[in-house]
Amino acid sequence: EVRLEESGGGLVQTGGSLRLSCVASGVTFSSYEMNWVRQAPGKGLEWVSYISGSGNTIYYADSVKGRFTISRDNAKNSLYLQMHSLRAEDTAVYYCSRDTVFGVVMPFDYWGQGTLVTVSS
Amino acid sequence: QSALTQPASVSGSPGQSITISCTGTSSDVGSYNLVSWYQHHPGKAPKLMIYEVSKRPSGVSNRFSGSKSANTASLTISGLQAEDEADYYCCSYEGSSVRVFGGGTKLTVL
Repeated sequence: EVRLEESGGGLVQTGGSLRLSCVASGVTFSSYEMNWVRQAPGKGLEWVSYISGSGNTIYYADSVKGRFTISRDNAKNSLYLQMHSLRAEDTAVYYCSRDTVFGVVMPFDYWGQGTLVTVSS
Repeated sequence: QSALTQPASVSGSPGQSITISCTGTSSDVGSYNLVSWYQHHPGKAPKLMIYEVSKRPSGVSNRFSGSKSANTASLTISGLQAEDEADYYCCSYEGSSVRVFGGGTKLTVL
């Protein structure tokens, strides 16, 4: 069974930094492309960032470009999101999510339960 | 990266059918047959319901179907059930692996 488990959320001051982690189990982690998706309180889902299986290809939403860095450690089955210069509008539940792209394109086919990041002054 | 446009809410009675629209542009929905739909019950992880416009993952009821015409995609739920009450989001690729979600639609089963 595929499991994704996020951690690292919490309360941080405006302008501060935080690092989120996502550990995968039940899957050959390096074979899958991964993403971070967030949901601000009372708002909809927002795609944040993508990383290829090898880690060589990375994309970011305009809203986080230059402030967030996605990375992965395939030896540890782990995905990360380093967040700097945090703003109030970054307050959200952050989910890690997997893409399956073997012959079909199934984006976000598995999700973690999310970790809450609260940015406050 | 502008959000796709969905109605804020839809409703229907048990047994009825409803359709949720998702309008994008020629740069996203109109360019790729890579529209997907997600069901999200508050407090839970979102669930993939439709991928590649009209395909259902294993385990998803055939009461859920998807389609697309030009820049607008649609999700239809037939035979509405109480457990279908949730938020629904569409998503499209914008190029490479950049994505954009819709604003979400709250489905109420009356």
